[in-house]
Amino acid sequence: DTAVSQTPKYLVTQMGNDKSIKCEQNLGHDTMYWYKQDSKKFLKIMFSYNNKELIINETVPNRFSPKSPDKAHLNLHINSLELGDSAVYFCASSQGQSDYGYTFGSGTRLTVV
Amino acid sequence: SQQGEEDPQALSIQEGENATMNCSYKTSINNLQWYRQNSGRGLVHLILIRSNEREKHSGRLRVTLDTSKKSSSLLITASRAADTASYFCATTGGTASKLTFGTGTRLQVTL
Repeated sequence: DTAVSQTPKYLVTQMGNDKSIKCEQNLGHDTMYWYKQDSKKFLKIMFSYNNKELIINETVPNRFSPKSPDKAHLNLHINSLELGDSAVYFCASSQGQSDYGYTFGSGTRLTVV
Repeated sequence: SQQGEEDPQALSIQEGENATMNCSYKTSINNLQWYRQNSGRGLVHLILIRSNEREKHSGRLRVTLDTSKKSSSLLITASRAADTASYFCATTGGTASKLTFGTGTRLQVTL
């Protein structure tokens, strides 16, 4: 069983479209995250939810909206996609705050054309 | 900006040799972690060292932490071709549950 699963794995879409990426974890972790990895492989946190509550919201355009229906799911909705949104988006989860390793999903490669 | 800077950016060694990667960070931390990322894949947690620890071992991995210098090193002994990947250090600190990543080292292990 996959611990952190993201769908879709690949997403190619046109500028201006709205798209969603879904993430689910079956580890019973209480905290989930979205990270963005750019073309230079830099990883930057976008959002973090703890038990469905938003606890981290980095400087991200408000076109990006996370939603956590329960602590096992954290989805990412992106409105009005731009070329610069092209990247790999990783979902991750952890138990507790900071003192444990994170478990990452395999990533969603978003290409905006 | 990235919390950590890793050195070297790229490292190429032969199978059986040891690989050492260094990480420097800027602010106080709770712990420092190392992750591996194979090409086109997600990140895999390797090892975590807390701020009050100086050295930790896990299999062929040895991590050191020097909080006075704000630096850490990852040593992979007896490297294998399967160790070829990018390696990232990441730190947590403060009250927020946030893992801040370094710039990564690309390791190539050749036969």
